[in-house]
Amino acid sequence: DAGVIQSPRHEVTEMGQEVTLRCKPISGHDYLFWYRQTMMRGLELLIYFNNNVPIDDSGMPEDRFSAKMPNASFSTLKIQPSEPRDSAVYFCASSFVGAPLHFGNGTRLTVT
Amino acid sequence: AQSVTQLDSQVPVFEEAPVELRCNYSSSVSVYLFWYVQYPNQGLQLLLKYLSGSTLVKGINGFEAEFNKSQTSFHLRKPSVHISDTAEYFCAVREDGNQGGKLIFGQGTELSVKP
Repeated sequence: DAGVIQSPRHEVTEMGQEVTLRCKPISGHDYLFWYRQTMMRGLELLIYFNNNVPIDDSGMPEDRFSAKMPNASFSTLKIQPSEPRDSAVYFCASSFVGAPLHFGNGTRLTVT
Repeated sequence: AQSVTQLDSQVPVFEEAPVELRCNYSSSVSVYLFWYVQYPNQGLQLLLKYLSGSTLVKGINGFEAEFNKSQTSFHLRKPSVHISDTAEYFCAVREDGNQGGKLIFGQGTELSVKP
């Protein structure tokens, strides 16, 4: 298995632009998580899905952030409009219920 | 709501010395416990996990951790560290039941191994 695949690995964009991060979970996993990592706040859970349904989005910072999972093999995290304070590494992870999470290599987002 | 506290933000240690990275959690229900390691510019890799059974769990790279329910702790140990163990280590908690629950991380402990 190729593991959790995230794209792009790096994204540099200007303030105000729309950013879309993509994730392909491990086949068969029924949970998908989006995390954000910054020096100041560490690893924050933004949202997670079970069987493609959002279960808890209480970590999504504000309305500028949205996440979708249209099918079991694909998810997106969108920021519109982006701001410099959104600069961070965004991780996607997937798992079976109660099992360890498998993480992707992350997307490093820089908003100038 | 569950929470995780890693008591040390940085732990410097000399090569071949023992190390303990401390982790305490709080939760009102049964939990699963994990330690992850993150090397620079990489994702998180699972070191070890406690799901049930023996409270002493062994992981990769010679690490082990002990689950102590009464003290709500899950400290990570290694008897002799190597330079290559330099990394950031994260303790994490996932609640049992409730559709699997979300995984909450501690703030991380930066382990720095010096020659």
